Amino acid sequence: NAGVTQTPKFQVLKTGQSMTLQCAQDMNHNSMYWYRQDPGMGLRLIYYSASEGTTDKGEVPNGYNVSRLNKREFSLRLESAAPSQTSVYFCASKVAGSPYEQYFGPGTRLTVT
Amino acid sequence: DQQVKQNSPSLSVQEGRISILNCDYTNSMFDYFLWYKKYPAEGPTFLISISSIKDKNEDGRFTVFLNKSAKHLSLHIVPSQPGDSAVYFCAAGGVSSGSARQLTFGSGTQLTVLP
Repeated sequence: NAGVTQTPKFQVLKTGQSMTLQCAQDMNHNSMYWYRQDPGMGLRLIYYSASEGTTDKGEVPNGYNVSRLNKREFSLRLESAAPSQTSVYFCASKVAGSPYEQYFGPGTRLTVT
Repeated sequence: DQQVKQNSPSLSVQEGRISILNCDYTNSMFDYFLWYKKYPAEGPTFLISISSIKDKNEDGRFTVFLNKSAKHLSLHIVPSQPGDSAVYFCAAGGVSSGSARQLTFGSGTQLTVLP
């Protein structure tokens, strides 16, 4: 049971480049989430998916797109990276049977130069 | 406008003493609160939660207190251990409809437990 896995762990992009952050969970959870963590800002929700086939915007969606490929996988895409997107990105899934508890992946540290 | 606030960016306590981490919220629709702990280069891990129908929840060394009238919650760690040194995030849920159950996080408090 790997829980929530994220790839890559680290990435450096130049401004304007694109990339996709991958997330997968093997716990059969329905809901999945993407957050970014910035110093002094806590975790801010970018996008979420209540179930396979649905996605919705969170607090800070601009500059990002998502795909809920199947129940296991939820990817985050940066079409044209900007320095303001330098951050640590966390994927999470909601624990079954708990009203709000989320289980987090280890994160992807992204630097945009 | 931050709906969940952790006003202390850092806290240092001696090993064996009590650590008290505080969190304030502004949205009265929040009805569920959680604390997460985060070590460097790892994802946050769930620590303890409390529903708004309770004012206290305890799990081993960790106790969360909720004061709804003050819109304030606190996490008590007794006794504190060096392994408790981490960033602690307060989170709140309850304002979103649907099954996704979004959480709103505070900015975190770095706890350092000194040996």
